[in-house]
Amino acid sequence: EDQVTQSPEALRLQEGESSSLNCSYTVSGLRGLFWYRQDPGKGPEFLFTLYSAGEEKEKERLKATLTKKESFLHITAPKPEDSATYLCAVRDTGFQKLVFGTGTRLLVSP
Amino acid sequence: ETGVTQSPTHLIKTRGQQVTLRCSSQSGHNTVSWYQQALGQGPQFIFQYYREEENGRGNFPPRFSGLQFPNYSSELNVNALELDDSALYLCASSPRGGENIQYFGAGTRLSVL
Repeated sequence: EDQVTQSPEALRLQEGESSSLNCSYTVSGLRGLFWYRQDPGKGPEFLFTLYSAGEEKEKERLKATLTKKESFLHITAPKPEDSATYLCAVRDTGFQKLVFGTGTRLLVSP
Repeated sequence: ETGVTQSPTHLIKTRGQQVTLRCSSQSGHNTVSWYQQALGQGPQFIFQYYREEENGRGNFPPRFSGLQFPNYSSELNVNALELDDSALYLCASSPRGGENIQYFGAGTRLSVL
């Protein structure tokens, strides 16, 4: 069965203090790894999708990377508005179902 | 703004009642998926509809049922509500083919008392 584990559960950073979030996954056949951002009381907002080991994608202060076993979301010089829960999900070779981790709650203090 | 709209925003029901949640897909998307998100957890897949047919189901009992209409909008129905059904219910729409990225609505917060 597909599994996604995210660490740490919570992360507190000072503004400008770069860090990385981890997503470890087990899947029979990867058809995509997805990163979403979720603000309190709202639905997940799509950030990135990665398909093969070695792939990288960037958007503003965020950069996502993928290996055969895990993905990292690197946050460079974060700002308070980057505070949110970051969710990782995988889709296997079956149908379009996403399997999510429990997320990392990020708090960036000014 | 994803173009996926859900109604109502909030709902309070009592145990044993039935509830219907609604979702309007993003234009051009013919696949809709429903997820349940308990507090502090990641979303859990309930089921998916494609061209008005159920296209896959997660580990949820039959009292969770759904519909997709010709305009690709969708409903989630839950019968015999239990206290543990209290959660944020998320709808996601996606196009068939391509990257199949799922775009989520803001969700319906259901409280069962």
